[in-house]
Amino acid sequence: GAGVSQSPSNKVTEKGKDVELRCDPISGHTALYWYRQSLGQGLEFLIYFQGNSAPDKSGLPSDRFSAERTGGSVSTLTIQRTQQEDSAVYLCASSLVLTYGYTFGSGTRLTVV
Amino acid sequence: AQKVTQAQTEISVVEKEDVTLDCVYETRDTTYYLFWYKQPPSGELVFLIRRNSFDEQNEISGRYSWNFQKSTSSFNFTITASQVVDSAVYFCALSEALGAAGNKLTFGGGTRVLVKP
Repeated sequence: GAGVSQSPSNKVTEKGKDVELRCDPISGHTALYWYRQSLGQGLEFLIYFQGNSAPDKSGLPSDRFSAERTGGSVSTLTIQRTQQEDSAVYLCASSLVLTYGYTFGSGTRLTVV
Repeated sequence: AQKVTQAQTEISVVEKEDVTLDCVYETRDTTYYLFWYKQPPSGELVFLIRRNSFDEQNEISGRYSWNFQKSTSSFNFTITASQVVDSAVYFCALSEALGAAGNKLTFGGGTRVLVKP
C-alpha cells in the first residue's frame, strides 16, 4: 500500500484479556518497528525487525508482550493478560533504509478497562 | 545511554510569529542521526528531517529551518511566519549509527505548538 496500515484503529478491552494489533508496512520496506506512545512515558521503542535477522526485542516492557513478522511483511503485536498500564497508542513504522527516516502508521489506540 | 531533551512542553504563538523548538541530546556515539517529526492532531507522525552527526550545515526547507550545533549537542528547529496548520506536537529524536544493534529512535518528550489565528 501507499502507507503503513494499522488495525484496528481503536481497541477497548477488558483487563486480563489478550489483544492482537496488526501492522502492514509499506511494500518492500525491510525494517519494521513498533513503538508505544503513552501520557506518562512518551514515545518508547518496543521491537524492531530487519529482514530475516533476529528481532531486537530490547524495548518490550514485559514477557506479556510479543511480536512476530510473517514473510517479512505483516507484523502482529500481541499483549497477553492486558493491564490498565498497557493503555496507550501503539505505533508501527517501516523503512527501506534509515537514510529516509521512518514512515509511521496512524497507530492503534488501546484502552484497557 | 542516549537521551533527548525537549525542555519546552508547550509553546503558544500568534500566527505569523516565528517559533523555535529546542532539542538537546546526549550520546556516546561519534556517529549518530538526529530527526524531527511532526504529530498533528490526526496522530500520525510525519518525518520532517534527518541529519547525521558529520553534517553540521544548517538547513532550510520553506518556512522550516534547523540549526545543528555539535558543540552544544543541540538540534533546534525554527518555524518562520507560523501558520495555524503548524499546530502540532513536534518530536526530536536520536538514532545510533546503522547496524545490527538496531536503528531504534530515542524520542524527546515533544513540544506542543499552538498557533492562534
